Formats: sequence, structure tokens, C-alpha cells
Amino acid sequence: TQLLEQSPQFLSIQEGENLTVYCNSSSVFSSLQWYRQEPGEGPVLLVTVVTGGEVKKLKRLTFQFGDARKDSSLHITAAQTGDTGLYLCAARSTGGGNKLTFGTGTQLKVEL
Amino acid sequence: DAGVIQSPRHEVTEMGQEVTLRCKPISGHDYLFWYRQTMMRGLELLIYFNNNVPIDDSGMPEDRFSAKMPNASFSTLKIQPSEPRDSAVYFCASSSQSRRETQYFGPGTRLLVL
Repeated sequence: TQLLEQSPQFLSIQEGENLTVYCNSSSVFSSLQWYRQEPGEGPVLLVTVVTGGEVKKLKRLTFQFGDARKDSSLHITAAQTGDTGLYLCAARSTGGGNKLTFGTGTQLKVEL
Repeated sequence: DAGVIQSPRHEVTEMGQEVTLRCKPISGHDYLFWYRQTMMRGLELLIYFNNNVPIDDSGMPEDRFSAKMPNASFSTLKIQPSEPRDSAVYFCASSSQSRRETQYFGPGTRLLVL
């Protein structure tokens, strides 16, 4: 079973601060995704990265896929209270199929 | 457009009872997924279907769990008999063949087994 470890597990910051969340594994993946989940709702896809070394930006969020396609990071610039939520990485193995393995999650709280 | 619809949103039952969770995927989607989320184990895939056929059920915990998809617009996840350790939030998600990397999740069913 592939294991996706996220760090940190919990993060509490002030509005305006920057932060980085990491997603690491010993396995190589064909693609990696980041989701955000708010209380009482299902996860919502933020981005998909496919190529090793790929960087994608979504407004204040920057996503990077590691060169070896084993890890990824999510960087948020000038966090806002609306960024509060559970951030999950999820990966698809190189063996094909449509199965996603989710990471352990990072609970982010942004306070005024 | 309606998203993935799940019912009930909350379920409280007693140990030993049968529980049936329901899901209506997004119209036109070919894939349907059932996940379970707990604090201890995170979000885990239980089973997924493609064109109503189960493709991978390796995540189904044990024989007490069963899932069916009788048609393209409806799926059920049944637990019989239920146990307290089954308490979790169960999510259904769907995706299309043309954009299968994008899964759309329902709001979840919060199950509590006493």
C-alpha cells in the first residue's frame, strides 16, 4: 500500500503569513492532486500535476511536483481566513487504473 | 447542474443493524467511487465502479460491506451488520471517462453506530 505522508499535520497561522505544506512518499506516481475540504463537505479538487518538476499557480497558491514524482508541496502566500480547511494530497500510481490514494491531511487554520 | 447527491446526510444506528447509504452520481459520469473518512485512517477508497461494473473492491473492509450499482444513476453501500468501528463519514464521488482525473465528491453521510 502506497503511503502519502503530509506535514505538518496541523498549522495555525495569522492572516497575511505564508505557509508551505508537504506531501511525501517513497513511491513514484503518475500524477498528484491537491484537494481542500471544508467542514461538513466533500473534498474539492484544486490542482493536478503530472510532470516531474511541474509548477502550477492558482492565485495565491503555488503547487510543485517533485522532479522524481515522489513528493509535492503547496505554498500559500498571504494566507486569508478563507484558506482555512483540510488540505489533502492524493496520488495516482503508475500502474494505471483510476484509484486515488489520499495523504494523511494538513488541517490549516488562518486567524485574523 | 446538480452535484453528487448522497442520502442520508446523517445516520445514527445501533450495533447489529443494517445500514444502507445511497449515492446519485453526476449525470453522464462513468466512474463512481465510495470512500470512508476517519480521524485515524484518513480518506480511504473502498470500491469504485466503471460503467456500473465494480473494478477495484480491495478497500472494502470485510464481508459486512457490500456495494452495488444497478444503473448509471444510482449506487448503494450496505453494511450488515454494523459495528461501532464503522462510524465514519462516507463519501461518494464520480468522474467522467473524458476527465477521469477529476473526481467530484458528494457532501458525505455521517454514520454513527452505537
